[in-house]
Amino acid sequence: ETGVTQTPRHLVMGMTNKKSLKCEQHLGHNAMYWYKQSAKKPLELMFVYSLEERVENNSVPSRFSPECPNSSHLFLHLHTLQPEDSALYLCASSQDGSREEKLFFGSGTQLSVL
Amino acid sequence: GENVEQHPSTLSVQEGDSAVIKCTYSDSASNYFPWYKQELGKRPQLIIDIRSNVGEKKDQRIAVTLNKTAKHFSLHITETQPEDSAVYFCAALSWAGTALIFGKGTTLSVSS
Repeated sequence: ETGVTQTPRHLVMGMTNKKSLKCEQHLGHNAMYWYKQSAKKPLELMFVYSLEERVENNSVPSRFSPECPNSSHLFLHLHTLQPEDSALYLCASSQDGSREEKLFFGSGTQLSVL
Repeated sequence: GENVEQHPSTLSVQEGDSAVIKCTYSDSASNYFPWYKQELGKRPQLIIDIRSNVGEKKDQRIAVTLNKTAKHFSLHITETQPEDSAVYFCAALSWAGTALIFGKGTTLSVSS
């Protein structure tokens, strides 16, 4: 157990649904990340939060909306998704978002959009 | 921004052989290069990293080499074992230095 917990583990949703992914870290870290992992593609950085402020969003479509209410919690709100958004969504944390830091990943949420 | 290319995409070796995975990066300002291992159904975990002030780093059976001039770095696994079977990802920091950009991954299969 790395101290980063993601819920739910699996999610199936229709294109008109609204759902949220949750991530919680118990490591006392100050930076949190959302990555998307699709088959045959790199781990794609979506959002970075450092000290609860968004520092990079990497041109992600607006149907993905992150929220970081405090340094321990990170959400990804989903609405009107497309089938190509089906993927494994990984949350990660690091000490303070500076260079050369080890990322601690959660187990991910496997999302299927029908 | 940073772009990381990783080769090969799949690699099959016999137990006891060596395995080498290579990555290239585009941002000459990048100076931190970690490698992550992801076993089937599990989360990625850091196995080794290297900074630009060194050319090589070893940790038991794994080693990483860095050539900053050519902008490429490699992972070397010696005396491979079946438990080394996994997907391996290389990464480099983005130009903003705020988060890691990953390669596409290499699926390593070690057969006994």
